[in-house]
Amino acid sequence: KQEVTQIPAALSVPEGENLVLNCSFTDSAIYNLQWFRQDPGKGLTSLLLIQSSQREQTSGRLNASLDKSSGRSTLYIAASQPGDSATYLCAVGTGSQGNLIFGKGTKLSVKP
Amino acid sequence: NAGVTQTPKFRILKIGQSMTLQCAQDMNHNYMYWYRQDPGMGLKLIYYSVGAGITDKGEVPNGYNVSRSTTEDFPLRLELAAPSQTSVYFCASSYSWDTEAFFGQGTRLTVV
Repeated sequence: KQEVTQIPAALSVPEGENLVLNCSFTDSAIYNLQWFRQDPGKGLTSLLLIQSSQREQTSGRLNASLDKSSGRSTLYIAASQPGDSATYLCAVGTGSQGNLIFGKGTKLSVKP
Repeated sequence: NAGVTQTPKFRILKIGQSMTLQCAQDMNHNYMYWYRQDPGMGLKLIYYSVGAGITDKGEVPNGYNVSRSTTEDFPLRLELAAPSQTSVYFCASSYSWDTEAFFGQGTRLTVV
């Protein structure tokens, strides 16, 4: 059974710092991996989608990498800002139905 | 462009009552999903649909039912509500099984 783990569960950094969020999955047979952002009481916002054939995706200050063979993905956030404070969720797509297996998330706090 | 719209945003049910959570998307997406999110846990898939008239069970379908009569709408029915169904429910959609997923704002349901 596919399991997705996100470490750390919570992270607090000063503004301006570069940071890395980690995601690991137990079964390398995935179709894709998505990173989402969730603000308190809100829905999920898709940040980056990496297909299984890709190694990384970039959007602005965000860069996500994927190493399928080792079952790992990282989300790199450059020059963090207080507005980046949120919970970041990693999810893997494992079936042709498109359903996602989610990690529990990393709660990020960026202090001014 | 509204994206994925869920109603209601909040609801309190008594044990044994029934209700329908509404979900509508205006992106002409074929794939739609219902997830539930419990505190400290990752999202779990309840039901999904790959097109109008086609639905299937996810990881945690017991106590729920769905229908998909149109491409736009994917309501989730709770029959005989139980305290274990207290959760935040998210509807999501995607154009295809390997494309970006878009989420609604969620419905916070409390069963007392």
